[in-house]
Amino acid sequence: EAQVTQNPRYLITVTGKKLTVTCSQNMNHEYMSWYRQDPGLGLRQIYYSMNVEVTDKGDVPEGYKVSRKEKRNFPLILESPSPNQTSLYFCASSFKGLADTQYFGPGTRLTVL
Amino acid sequence: DQQVKQNSPSLSVQEGRISILNCDYTNSMFDYFLWYKKYPAEGPTFLISISSIKDKNEDGRFTVFLNKSAKHLSLHIVPSQPGDSAVYFCAASESNSGYALNFGKGTSLLVTP
Repeated sequence: EAQVTQNPRYLITVTGKKLTVTCSQNMNHEYMSWYRQDPGLGLRQIYYSMNVEVTDKGDVPEGYKVSRKEKRNFPLILESPSPNQTSLYFCASSFKGLADTQYFGPGTRLTVL
Repeated sequence: DQQVKQNSPSLSVQEGRISILNCDYTNSMFDYFLWYKKYPAEGPTFLISISSIKDKNEDGRFTVFLNKSAKHLSLHIVPSQPGDSAVYFCAASESNSGYALNFGKGTSLLVTP
């Protein structure tokens, strides 16, 4: 089954404790991206990747890092999480880019205390 | 600054009637537009898209209209069904400047029986 998976689905952590949210897709997609969804703000793009080792900033990259060492995985790293990073995070992928359908993962709800 | 605006946070429509969801954008360089649908506790799913070379795209009950001069697009759902109740996000991109995707804040559609 074609899908985008994220782990963990739920996470409660404390300020400053490094964490990684994993994202994996099994569709051999080149394009992957991370979004956060906040009440009243909709979906905002954090980072995206056009292919292995090629990443770029989206609208709200501050406080986040990403890596794309292999095509299927695109982890989101929070080196020193802060409470304002409490949010619902979505990973997405598509075959070539925005002209193709993006498939979203189920979301990761992160709470930073 | 929000470049994609969905000014109606919510919309209620009777089953069988037409639902019209609106979206405005400010960046005249945007040339590709998409609509996504999101149910609670799930990731967004792609619904329909339109390129700036067109002014209309149709897929079953869903039609997207683009008015470039007004920087406005709309999604029409005819006839509306209770299963269409979801949050709808409008998104836009400038394909020549990378792969960033800008989302609106979403419109929550409720289709009542």
